[in-house]
Amino acid sequence: KAGVTQTPRYLIKTRGQQVTLSCSPISGHRSVSWYQQTPGQGLQFLFEYFSETQRNKGNFPGRFSGRQFSNSRSEMNVSTLELGDSALYLCASSLPGGARETQYFGPGTRLLVL
Amino acid sequence: DQQVKQNSPSLSVQEGRISILNCDYTNSMFDYFLWYKKYPAEGPTFLISISSIKDKNEDGRFTVFLNKSAKHLSLHIVPSQPGDSAVYFCAARKGGSQGNLIFGKGTKLSVKP
Repeated sequence: KAGVTQTPRYLIKTRGQQVTLSCSPISGHRSVSWYQQTPGQGLQFLFEYFSETQRNKGNFPGRFSGRQFSNSRSEMNVSTLELGDSALYLCASSLPGGARETQYFGPGTRLLVL
Repeated sequence: DQQVKQNSPSLSVQEGRISILNCDYTNSMFDYFLWYKKYPAEGPTFLISISSIKDKNEDGRFTVFLNKSAKHLSLHIVPSQPGDSAVYFCAARKGGSQGNLIFGKGTKLSVKP
């Protein structure tokens, strides 16, 4: 079974631009979560989608948004990019098994904002 | 406010010996805990998990221990192998909270041949 895939793997943008990252979950997984990893803050939860609905949201500004499609694929968008948005963005998928579900991560998208 | 803490940024162990990675948490609402391993330029890989109703879970060379009264968990790797060298993250989830894992900042394990 194929794992979680994320595209693109690397991205360079300039301040003020916007960016869209894509995530395809493991087949059969319906929950998709997004995380930001930076050296200073570690892995921080952005949001989680299940059945095309945002089910949980972390403490990030409204510039960070996401959506999920009917095939469970998900996108996240960051508008008006800032230098501090440079990070590794990780997507994780899981079965809809409730609070005991295990999340499986993709390889991440490395975003550099200049 | 860091709810999941991994106080040792790094750990060095000799091949064949035991590696013990520690994690402390502050939120008593956490009821499910996971350990992930991460190599550079890759996403975290799930290793092992434990629910709060247990105090130990074992999977091959990996054992996780949970001490709820101390709000402490640890990951034991026996025997350690050079391929285990990676960053290990402890993560926790509140009961009834789907999708939102709270991560520690990781411990870099180096296993020397």
